Amino acid sequence: AQSVTQLGSHVSVSEGALVLLRCNYSSSVPPYLFWYVQYPNQGLQLLLKYTTGATLVKGINGFEAEFKKSETSFHLTKPSAHMSDAAEYFCAVSDLANTGNQFYFGTGTSLTVIP
Amino acid sequence: KAGVTQTPRYLIKTRGQQVTLSCSPISGHRSVSWYQQTPGQGLQFLFEYFSETQRNKGNFPGRFSGRQFSNSRSEMNVSTLELGDSALYLCASSWGRQGNYGYTFGSGTRLTVV
Repeated sequence: AQSVTQLGSHVSVSEGALVLLRCNYSSSVPPYLFWYVQYPNQGLQLLLKYTTGATLVKGINGFEAEFKKSETSFHLTKPSAHMSDAAEYFCAVSDLANTGNQFYFGTGTSLTVIP
Repeated sequence: KAGVTQTPRYLIKTRGQQVTLSCSPISGHRSVSWYQQTPGQGLQFLFEYFSETQRNKGNFPGRFSGRQFSNSRSEMNVSTLELGDSALYLCASSWGRQGNYGYTFGSGTRLTVV
């Protein structure tokens, strides 16, 4: 079965500092991996995704993530945090072979940006 | 291009009642999935519809049901509401079922059961 673990339910960074949100997955087959962001009282917005090809994936708003198969990780980073980055971030995994279009989400990481 | 539209945004129901939530996917998207989001359980998959057929179902009781119409619009129904059904219900649409397209989510319907 697929599962996603997000280390750290709450992360605080200073404005301008590096953002690192951790995601580890388990999947019996090569997965598709996603990061979503959720602002208060809104749905989830896709930040970036890894399906095949280049393991370093660039997304919107300056975020990027690297797929590391050997570490079963897909950590999200941003070089310089902005106040507008404060939100809840979710990592998700899917794989066609086992679940089709069903996504398994992590429990989320709440990012606080300190001015 | 219009996004995923969910109606209503907010709903208050009494325990024992039933409720119907509506979702209009992005034009051209044929897969519609529903998720329940709660502080305790996080995001949990309810079901997925594609071409008017339920393709996948999560681990929820039979009180939760859904359907999809020929124009890809979807509804989900919860009967005999319980207090624990209070949650944000998110609809998401996708072009296909290959698992690699990613979802586009609506803003959700906030259901409160009293």
